[in-house]
Amino acid sequence: DTAVSQTPKYLVTQMGNDKSIKCEQNLGHDTMYWYKQDSKKFLKIMFSYNNKELIINETVPNRFSPKSPDKAHLNLHINSLELGDSAVYFCASSWGHTLGNTIYFGEGSWLTVV
Amino acid sequence: DAKTTQPTSMDCAEGRAANLPCNHSTISGNEYVYWYRQIHSQGPQYIIHGLKNNETNEMASLIITEDRKSSTLILPHATLRDTAVYYCIVRYHAGNNRKLIWGLGTSLAVNP
Repeated sequence: DTAVSQTPKYLVTQMGNDKSIKCEQNLGHDTMYWYKQDSKKFLKIMFSYNNKELIINETVPNRFSPKSPDKAHLNLHINSLELGDSAVYFCASSWGHTLGNTIYFGEGSWLTVV
Repeated sequence: DAKTTQPTSMDCAEGRAANLPCNHSTISGNEYVYWYRQIHSQGPQYIIHGLKNNETNEMASLIITEDRKSSTLILPHATLRDTAVYYCIVRYHAGNNRKLIWGLGTSLAVNP
């Protein structure tokens, strides 16, 4: 049973399109995250939700909008895709968002914008 | 703006211990040291974390120096499946904004 699952795993789309990546966790965690890993392999947090409430919102373009319908889901919607959005996007979850909590990652979604 | 420095790459023979160093000289008193690894084309995987004391679990041991400015992750008997990028991370606080700052990690190659 996959703990943190995200779909699709691979996505190739044209510039200007709108796309969504879905994420679900079955660990009973109350905090979920979206991370972006660029071509240089830096992993940077984008958003974090705790009990459906946004608690971390890094400096990302407004074209990126997370949506958390419930504690087990955190979807990422991207409007007007640009070439620079090409990256691997990782969803993750944890119990709580304070010190000492372990973060569990999904397998990643490879987004290529052409 | 990673707060840790690690060697870019390391090699280890299968069956031997892999010792991965990490410097975090600017670590503050309440910051934990975390280790994650990322096997090619997979998501990062938690390994271990610690604050002051040495820690051990089924995957690895974490040795933290007394001044907490550096640490070493030890994989006691490395296998080929341990080939991955290993990230040493310090949990960072900025007001209510708690997050992990990731560096580029150490690419560990375990050789047969």
